[in-house]
Amino acid sequence: GDSVTQMEGPVTLSEEAFLTINCTYTATGYPSLFWYVQYPGEGLQLLLKATKADDKGSNKGFEATYRKETTSFHLEKGSVQVSDSAVYFCAVKTGTASKLTFGTGTRLQVTL
Amino acid sequence: DAGVTQSPTHLIKTRGQHVTLRCSPISGHKSVSWYQQVLGQGPQFIFQYYEKEERGRGNFPDRFSARQFPNYSSELNVNALLLGDSALYLCASSQTSGGTDTQYFGPGTRLTVL
Repeated sequence: GDSVTQMEGPVTLSEEAFLTINCTYTATGYPSLFWYVQYPGEGLQLLLKATKADDKGSNKGFEATYRKETTSFHLEKGSVQVSDSAVYFCAVKTGTASKLTFGTGTRLQVTL
Repeated sequence: DAGVTQSPTHLIKTRGQHVTLRCSPISGHKSVSWYQQVLGQGPQFIFQYYEKEERGRGNFPDRFSARQFPNYSSELNVNALLLGDSALYLCASSQTSGGTDTQYFGPGTRLTVL
């Protein structure tokens, strides 16, 4: 079955630092890839997605590029803010079902 | 437009009891999926329903069941609760079933089993 591996957290950065959260996946066929964010005490919010190789998803300064050759979908942001502190989940979806397979999440803590 | 709504927000039950969780999808969405998120882990897929039919089932015991109603809302039922069922239960809706469609999540129901 599908699987997702994320870098372990927590990741602690100072405000305005550069962020990278690594994500690699194993999936059959042609998966769609997603990043979701979860703020404390809340559900998941879609951050960005990419549906085919070499697509770049972007939103709120975050970016991730679908790299089929390395089966990766790393999340980046050039300058993080305190308000970006949250848990970030990488997820993959294959086939015609709606099943999302998530990684274990990476907690980001941004300090002043 | 209203997002995905779930009720109740929090729930406390004791072992052996039964629980029903409810979800209303975004207007126009016909697919509802349920996920279980144990503290410190990523969500795990439980069920997907589309047009009132089960389209997918995760690796969960038969104590877990669900259904979808004609208005596309959904219920998740869990029988004979165990301590290990304590988790955040998330509902997600999408317009169609699968493909590149995006799932939108509700705020979740936090279930505590004592």
